[in-house]
Amino acid sequence: DAAVTQKPRYLIKMKGQEAEMKCIPEKGHTAVFWYQQKQSKELKFLIYFQNQQPLDQIDMVKERFSAVCPSSSLCSLGIRTCEAEDSALYLCSSSQSAGGDTQYFGPGTRLLVL
Amino acid sequence: AQSVTQPDARVTVSEGASLQLRCKYSYSGTPYLFWYVQYPRQGLQLLLKYYSGDPVVQGVNGFEAEFSKSNSSFHLRKASVHWSDSAVYFCALSAYQGGRALIFGTGTTVSVSP
Repeated sequence: DAAVTQKPRYLIKMKGQEAEMKCIPEKGHTAVFWYQQKQSKELKFLIYFQNQQPLDQIDMVKERFSAVCPSSSLCSLGIRTCEAEDSALYLCSSSQSAGGDTQYFGPGTRLLVL
Repeated sequence: AQSVTQPDARVTVSEGASLQLRCKYSYSGTPYLFWYVQYPRQGLQLLLKYYSGDPVVQGVNGFEAEFSKSNSSFHLRKASVHWSDSAVYFCALSAYQGGRALIFGTGTTVSVSP
């Protein structure tokens, strides 16, 4: 089985604080994705990296989030100023870029903003 | 625009009974289709995927799915469910080859009763 690691598993922040979560993609995978899931419902795409470069992201990420992949073995997603609506499960996935679309998911970081 | 619809929010079945989960997609090109399962407090696990070829694809744990281009559907089936199949099931579409974001349905919660 693929092994995507995410840390921390749980994160509690006060409104206005900064939050940061990390993802270690599957070894050899060059594409990394972040999704947001609220209340165990559908996953919302946030941002996509290919070879550590951001290639696609939604407007919300551009405005309030910070996301980087400084190396092929580590990516991070940050929220500059947490709001209550940011409370969600943040899932990271990775895939091989060459001809492979299957994304393997980590266990997620559950963020609670009080 | 691409979209995925899972019309059944919740399905309850008895252990040993058969299961079918419906998935309809909207995409003008050739879709790459996936079924994922999410157990409580966990990330997503891949059940099966369809790229091309035989419209019936086999997955893990006895699951299979059938692709229909004419009906724009990718329904998931299992002949005999076990209590451990209780989970949330997501159908997903990838509109491009090579690691692009997945478009998810809203999920179907499956409850298996003894």
